Amino acid sequence: DIQMTQSPSTLSASVGDRVTITCRASQSISSWLAWYQQKPGKAPKLLIYKASSLESGVPSRFSGSGSGTEFTLTISSLQPDDFATYYCQHCHNYPYTFGQGTKLEIK
Amino acid sequence: QVQLVESGGGVVQPGRSLRLSCAASGFTFSSYGMHWVRQAPGKGLEWVAVISHDGSNKYYADSVKGRFTISRDISKNTVYLQMNSLRAEDTAVFYCAKDIAETTWGGASFDIWGQGTMVTVSS
Repeated sequence: DIQMTQSPSTLSASVGDRVTITCRASQSISSWLAWYQQKPGKAPKLLIYKASSLESGVPSRFSGSGSGTEFTLTISSLQPDDFATYYCQHCHNYPYTFGQGTKLEIK
Repeated sequence: QVQLVESGGGVVQPGRSLRLSCAASGFTFSSYGMHWVRQAPGKGLEWVAVISHDGSNKYYADSVKGRFTISRDISKNTVYLQMNSLRAEDTAVFYCAKDIAETTWGGASFDIWGQGTMVTVSS
C-alpha cells in the first residue's frame, strides 16, 4: 500500500501569511493527489485534485503543485476562514490512503 | 442540489452488525463510483471501501476486508455499507463520498461528501 506523509503536523500562522504544506508518497503516484480541508464537526471539502487543479468554487489563494512523490499545498494569503485541518490523499490505485493531516492554527 | 445523506449509525455491541445507507440526489447516481471513508474520534481520515459506478467492482481497506460489504441500489440512488463482526476500533464517523469523475475506476478524488453518521461499538 502507498503511504502518505504530511509535514508539518501542526502549523501556526497569522492572517495574511503565505503557508505551505508538504505531502510525500512512499512511491510514485504521478499526479493522482488531492487536498482536502476539514473543519471541526464537518465533512472534508475538496480543494485541489490531480495535484494542481483547483476545485470549482475554491478561492484562488489555494494552489497545489508536485508530481511523483512530492507535493505541496500553498495558501498565498491566509484568511480567517482557512484555519482548519488539511489532508492529502492519493488516488493512484486502491487502497487509497490519506496523510495524517496538518492542523493550521492561528498564531 | 447535489447531496449525499448518510443514515444508520448508532451504538452497537462488539461482534454485532450494522448497515449504513447513503442516499444520493442531484446527480446521475449510476455514473459515479462511490466510497466510504471513516474518521475515529480525534483522528485522521481512513478510506474504507469503493464500489464502481455499475457495482461490478469493489475494493476494501485491509482493516475491514472480510467484515464489511459495500453495495449499491441504482433504483434507490443509495449506497450501503454492511458492517459485520464490529470491533471497538471501528468506532468512527462514517462518510460516504462521490467520485469526481464519471465511470472511472481509480484516479478520482471525492468532490461531494455526506455529513457523516456516527458508529459507536461498545459493550
